Amino acid sequence: GNSVTQMEGPVTLSEEAFLTINCTYTATGYPSLFWYVQYPGEGLQLLLKATKADDKGSNKGFEATYRKETTSFHLEKGSVQVSDSAVYFCALSDGGNDKIIFGKGTRLHILP
Amino acid sequence: GAVVSQHPSRVICKSGTSVKIECRSLDFQATTMFWYRQFPKKSLMLMATSNEGSKATYEQGVEKDKFLINHASLTLSTLTVTSAHPEDSSFYICSARDPSGVNNSPLHFGNGTRLTVT
Repeated sequence: GNSVTQMEGPVTLSEEAFLTINCTYTATGYPSLFWYVQYPGEGLQLLLKATKADDKGSNKGFEATYRKETTSFHLEKGSVQVSDSAVYFCALSDGGNDKIIFGKGTRLHILP
Repeated sequence: GAVVSQHPSRVICKSGTSVKIECRSLDFQATTMFWYRQFPKKSLMLMATSNEGSKATYEQGVEKDKFLINHASLTLSTLTVTSAHPEDSSFYICSARDPSGVNNSPLHFGNGTRLTVT
């Protein structure tokens, strides 16, 4: 079945460091891919998405490119801030329904 | 933007009692809502799909008699954990999609409910 695998956390970085959180997926068909973010004490929010191969999603300085050949959707940011500290979830949805399958989440700590 | 409200945010109950969690779409009508459970250091697991006016669809391994779902209206779905036990302690999150949104509009999530069964 469909699944998402993302790197284990927690990830601790200094402010202004470069961030990569790896995500790979297994799916039949052509899923849409998402990154969701959960800030402390809040619900999940959509960070960015990509709906087809080679699409790049971007938001708030974060980027991720839908790589069909490597079945990956790695999240990157060139210069992280303390306010980026949160849990990040990679996810996919089967285009045929509303179900979203999440990875385990990666907790990110940014040190000032 | 679209908002999903979930209540309560935290609840502590005694073993054997039942707990109801509400999920409301505040500015859109949601014919379908989703209930997830999040274990510590693990992913969000889809428990069931709540359908307005019909029975919920449960994922494999989820006890439908234990986790009662009622989608009473186009803006309200409830999850009742019946005869709760300590192993039911978890973080429960609901979500809904605004059907009037553009294609591939995202799911909107509630802030979750932390259930602790003592």
